[in-house]
Amino acid sequence: SQQGEEDPQALSIQEGENATMNCSYKTSINNLQWYRQNSGRGLVHLILIRSNEREKHSGRLRVTLDTSKKSSSLLITASRAADTASYFCATDAFGNEKLTFGTGTRLTIIP
Amino acid sequence: GEEVAQTPKHLVRGEGQKAKLYCAPIKGHSYVFWYQQVLKNEFKFLISFQNENVFDETGMPKERFSAKCLPNSPCSLEIQATKLEDSAVYFCASSQFSDWSLTSNQPQHFGDGTRLSIL
Repeated sequence: SQQGEEDPQALSIQEGENATMNCSYKTSINNLQWYRQNSGRGLVHLILIRSNEREKHSGRLRVTLDTSKKSSSLLITASRAADTASYFCATDAFGNEKLTFGTGTRLTIIP
Repeated sequence: GEEVAQTPKHLVRGEGQKAKLYCAPIKGHSYVFWYQQVLKNEFKFLISFQNENVFDETGMPKERFSAKCLPNSPCSLEIQATKLEDSAVYFCASSQFSDWSLTSNQPQHFGDGTRLSIL
């Protein structure tokens, strides 16, 4: 069964606005990763945050991790039409690289 | 290659037939993973390999699913006696060796998947 839940399930915003999506998980983790999936394609790795990190940036992406609440958030700033996709968080445990995925957020950027 | 290559892109089988899916991981990557995505959202882990050895097969339905990663050959996932519920997109991913003493795993690189339709 799925480890995590993502919130919201779907999000529509105007181009240029910021998009925030959240992920919760249930068990202890080693890393948390965010992936993007465009329609009909595989997952593209966006960013990895370790369990001992609280925040990480990569370009227009900002990820936070709160291990006490078992939650993470992904912020995409200054959204673009090309950001339209589904976004998944995924966790792994120390010593095992298999990923356990959240349910995904479908993001639509309105030009 | 620099991308994970999965073949075929689409596979249609009648219920009860066999289905075989292939995956060529990125050169130099030691780990291969198979995931099943149903209904465009839920990803389920099936099996992982470290080189040609099974690392974790806790997600595999034991009776009908099997997988291999042999040297100098694409990895494969085979489903015997397919059922309607096997209809899904099957993704393969590969990653580099992780030095677990650094407590940092490598990101996984995904192929574009094989869409399996069981009629």
